[in-house]
Amino acid sequence: AQSVTQPDIHITVSEGASLELRCNYSYGATPYLFWYVQSPGQGLQLLLKYFSGDTLVQGIKGFEAEFKRSQSSFNLRKPSVHWSDAAEYFCAVGAINQAGTALIFGKGTTLSVSS
Amino acid sequence: NAGVMQNPRHLVRRRGQEARLRCSPMKGHSHVYWYRQLPEEGLKFMVYLQKENIIDESGMPKERFSAEFPKEGPSILRIQQVVRGDSAAYFCASSPPGTLGNQPQHFGDGTRLSIL
Repeated sequence: AQSVTQPDIHITVSEGASLELRCNYSYGATPYLFWYVQSPGQGLQLLLKYFSGDTLVQGIKGFEAEFKRSQSSFNLRKPSVHWSDAAEYFCAVGAINQAGTALIFGKGTTLSVSS
Repeated sequence: NAGVMQNPRHLVRRRGQEARLRCSPMKGHSHVYWYRQLPEEGLKFMVYLQKENIIDESGMPKERFSAEFPKEGPSILRIQQVVRGDSAAYFCASSPPGTLGNQPQHFGDGTRLSIL
């Protein structure tokens, strides 16, 4: 069955430090992978996506993610975290059927940024 | 999240009442998805609709829940005879037509449903 695991429920990073959020997926074919960010009381904003091609994808707000097929991972990174990055981050895989694509989400990682 | 409009933002219902959640997709989008987010959980897929058609409802509870996306007007998620366990945030997403998954879904800000 398709699934997404985000091993870290909560991470605290100092402002200016680097960040890596982990995501592992289980999917039978080449996956479509996404990272979304959710601020409190808000909807989800797409940070970046991977469909095919270059395994290192660039997103908005200085985020990037690397698809590693051998590790079934799609980790999100940012070289220098800003206080405004504090939010909840969701990794998702597109479960494709003949009709369309339902997204399967991980349970999320809450990022806190300390000064 | 500009584009996908959900209303109301907050909805309070008593047990046994009906809840109606509305979603207007982004302009030009004809695919609508509903997700439910329970506390401490990620989003769970409920249903995928195109205009006047339910394409995939594999995530919908078998009873009390229904969804529609009429030719005119917003998509509606309807919950009859609500119970405390229905308390959650319900998110709508939309994507353009003619795709089979390689277009990202754009999300609304959600409806927070509270059951008294």
